[in-house]
Amino acid sequence: DGGITQSPKYLFRKEGQNVTLSCEQNLNHDAMYWYRQDPGQGLRLIYYSQIVNDFQKGDIAEGYSVSREKKESFPLTVTSAQKNPTAFYLCATKDLSSGELFFGEGSRLTVL
Amino acid sequence: EDQVTQSPEALRLQEGESSSLNCSYTVSGLRGLFWYRQDPGKGPEFLFTLYSAGEEKEKERLKATLTKKESFLHITAPKPEDSATYLCAVQAGSNTGKLIFGQGTTLQVKP
Repeated sequence: DGGITQSPKYLFRKEGQNVTLSCEQNLNHDAMYWYRQDPGQGLRLIYYSQIVNDFQKGDIAEGYSVSREKKESFPLTVTSAQKNPTAFYLCATKDLSSGELFFGEGSRLTVL
Repeated sequence: EDQVTQSPEALRLQEGESSSLNCSYTVSGLRGLFWYRQDPGKGPEFLFTLYSAGEEKEKERLKATLTKKESFLHITAPKPEDSATYLCAVQAGSNTGKLIFGQGTTLQVKP
């Protein structure tokens, strides 16, 4: 199946721990994005990458890190420096010809 | 500053009761306005892209329209399966392909 796979779907973390969320795509899209979604708020951009080995900070990058070593993969690490990490995290890729974003199914992170 | 505001935050309709959702935006050079549907615990699903004022697109019971300052998502004779959160997003000319999202409108259609 073509699409975007995020894992894990649910993740629990103790305070002070780093966690990494996986995002894999087989749509052959160059651009990939990480968004955070909180109840009652719009999606907020964390990081994005338009090409392999390059990425830029979004609007709320503090406490997060990413890498883009392969076109298919764009993992997000939520570090212990992120003050309020409990949220729903969405990975997306972009079809540059239409501008449309395609989303994964999301990963819900809960800090205990 | 680029901004997107959706209203209402929540909408309850009876099955068959038509209505509209609003998305107001202020951006420097609109490159596209996008509508998405999101079911609870799922990623958003693409519905429409609109590029210029006056443009309209339809899909089943949904119709999206665009003016220079806002977009409407019209829902005609909704069914319970139309219940979801509808997200609006814009791509501005000044950024690098990023989409700016509104906070969404949660629609509940009762049978």
